[in-house]
This record gives sequence, structure tokens and C-alpha cells, in this order.
Amino acid sequence: GNSVTQMEGPVTLSEEAFLTINCTYTATGYPSLFWYVQYPGEGLQLLLKATKADDKGSNKGFEATYRKETTSFHLEKGSVQVSDSAVYFCALILGGKLTFGQGTILTVHP
Amino acid sequence: GAVVSQHPSRVICKSGTSVKIECRSLDFQATTMFWYRQFPKQSLMLMATSNEGSKATYEQGVEKDKFLINHASLTLSTLTVTSAHPEDSSFYICSAVGVGTDTQYFGPGTRLTVL
Repeated sequence: GNSVTQMEGPVTLSEEAFLTINCTYTATGYPSLFWYVQYPGEGLQLLLKATKADDKGSNKGFEATYRKETTSFHLEKGSVQVSDSAVYFCALILGGKLTFGQGTILTVHP
Repeated sequence: GAVVSQHPSRVICKSGTSVKIECRSLDFQATTMFWYRQFPKQSLMLMATSNEGSKATYEQGVEKDKFLINHASLTLSTLTVTSAHPEDSSFYICSAVGVGTDTQYFGPGTRLTVL
């Protein structure tokens, strides 16, 4: 079956630090890949997506590149802010169904 | 664009009663809507897939008679939790997919508490 594995959190950083959240996947076909962000008490917001190998998704300073050879879609941001504190979910979609990773809690301190 | 709303955002009910949660796509037509359940500090669990005008497809282990789903129009799907019990307390989130795309846009979620 399909699965998504994220680095375990929580991740705690100081403001302006560099962020990487690792994500790898297993899929029986060629999925599209997503990062979603969930702020406390809210639903999920689409952060970025990539639909094919070597595509780079980017939004709000976050980036992730679809690496087919390593089946990865790591999330990066060069300088995090306190407002980036949230839970981040990596996900793939295949056959119309989303499969989520377990989520990574990010806390950014001033 | 691609805004999905849910109503109510929070509901508290007594054990044995039924609760209806609405999911609406506000600025696009959604051929497919999904219902998820999320436990504290956990990922989302897909409950069912809802296609407009047809019966919902439930995931294994989800009781279709307990979680009634209706997708009556291209902008509205409802989830009714029937005879709710405290173990049904959870955060319920819907998502919607527009025509010709595979990107799911999520609603803000509904916090259900059953006393």
C-alpha cells in the first residue's frame, strides 16, 4: 500500500533558524505530493504541492522538491518565524485518496 | 479561491442524540468530498469519500449506519453522527476536490464533544 513517513517531532527552533522536515513516501504508482499546515484548533491549509519528479513546490518561503530517486519531499525554509509554529503534514495522493504522514509539530521561539 | 467552510465549528451534545455537520465549497464546485476524523495530536483518518448524487464509500471499520453522509449538491456534503456516544468525540474535518484537479482543500474542522 501507499505510505508517508515524516521525521518525528517535535521540532523546536529559534526565530530565523533554518528548517528541514524530512518526508519519504512509498507508493504503487506516481503520486502527487503535498505539504499541509495545521494551526492550533484549525483545519488543514495547503502549503505547497508538486505533481511530478523534479518539480519544486514553494509558498511563503517554504520549499520542497519532488525527488523520485530518493522517494522524498523534504520541506525547507531558510528563516523561520514564530508564526510558523504549527503542525506540518506531508501527504501523497494516488487514485484520488490522500495518505498523510503522522505530522510534525514545529515550535519556533523568539 | 478554493474555500471550504464547515458548520458548526464546535458542538456539544448529549449522549444518544444525533448531530449534523455541514461542509460547503464556497467558490467552486466539488465533485468529491471527503470526511476525516482527527484524534488529539494524531494524523487524519479518512472516514469516507462522498461523490455528488451517489452513495458514500466508507473506509474499513467505519460504521456507515452511524456516520451518515449525504452529498446532495456540488457544493454541500453533510455528515450526521447518529446516536452519538462519548467515544465519538473528536475533530471532524472535511475536504473538497474541484473538477479536473486532485488537490483537496480542507474545511476548518468541527470539534464534537459528546457528554
